[in-house]
Amino acid sequence: EAGVTQFPSHSVIEKGQTVTLRCDPISGHDNLYWYRRVMGKEIKFLLHFVKESKQDESGMPNNRFLAERTGGTYSTLKVQPAELEDSGVYFCASSLIPASEQYFGPGTRLTVT
Amino acid sequence: RKEVEQDPGPFNVPEGATVAFNCTYSNSASQSFFWYRQDCRKEPKLLMSVYSSGNEDGRFTAQLNRASQYISLLIRDSKLSDSATYLCVVPHQGYSSASKIIFGSGTRLSIRP
Repeated sequence: EAGVTQFPSHSVIEKGQTVTLRCDPISGHDNLYWYRRVMGKEIKFLLHFVKESKQDESGMPNNRFLAERTGGTYSTLKVQPAELEDSGVYFCASSLIPASEQYFGPGTRLTVT
Repeated sequence: RKEVEQDPGPFNVPEGATVAFNCTYSNSASQSFFWYRQDCRKEPKLLMSVYSSGNEDGRFTAQLNRASQYISLLIRDSKLSDSATYLCVVPHQGYSSASKIIFGSGTRLSIRP
C-alpha cells in the first residue's frame, strides 16, 4: 500500500512569490492534516480536513495560507505571497479516523529567500 | 504552560540500558495519545498508541497516568538504532469533533556503543 506522498520535496522561492504544496494521502483515509515545523521549534498543527471539508483550521497562521481538498482526495497548500518566516518543513499526514494513528509524508522543505 | 510538554534531553545512555521519559499534557479531555519517533531530517513515524492505561510492544512500553496527566515511554535493552527524537502527540479533543493535534517538542535520545 502506498504511503502519504508530498510534492515537491524541496522548494526555494523568493519573498513575495507563490508556492503550492501538494499532498496525496493514503487511499481511503478521509482525514488529512497539514503541519509545519520551523527551525528549532516543535511541529505545529495547521489544519485538518475530513474528506473535502475543513474540520479545524485554527492553526493556519494567516490569510496568506490557503488549503484545499477538492474531491476529498489530494490536498494543496498555497502560500501567497510567501514571507521569510514561512520557511520550514511542511508535513502532511492522513488517518482513517480523527484523533487516531496518523501516517506522515516525507515533508516539503520550503525556503523563502 | 504548554499543552504538551516533554523533557528535551538529550538523553545519552549506553547500549543495553533502560531509558524512560515522560510527557505531560494539559487537556484533561484528551482520550488518545501517541508516541512517534523522528530521525534527523525525516518525517515522524508512529511508534505506539495509547488509548487506555498503557501499551507494550516488544522493548517499548507506554503508560498513561490520567490523574497526573502524563504519558511515559520506556525503552528496554536499548539499541543503537533507537537513537532518535521521540515525539509525544496528543489530539486536543474538546467540545467538538475537531481534533487539533498537539505535538511536544520532542525528547532527543542518543544510544552510545
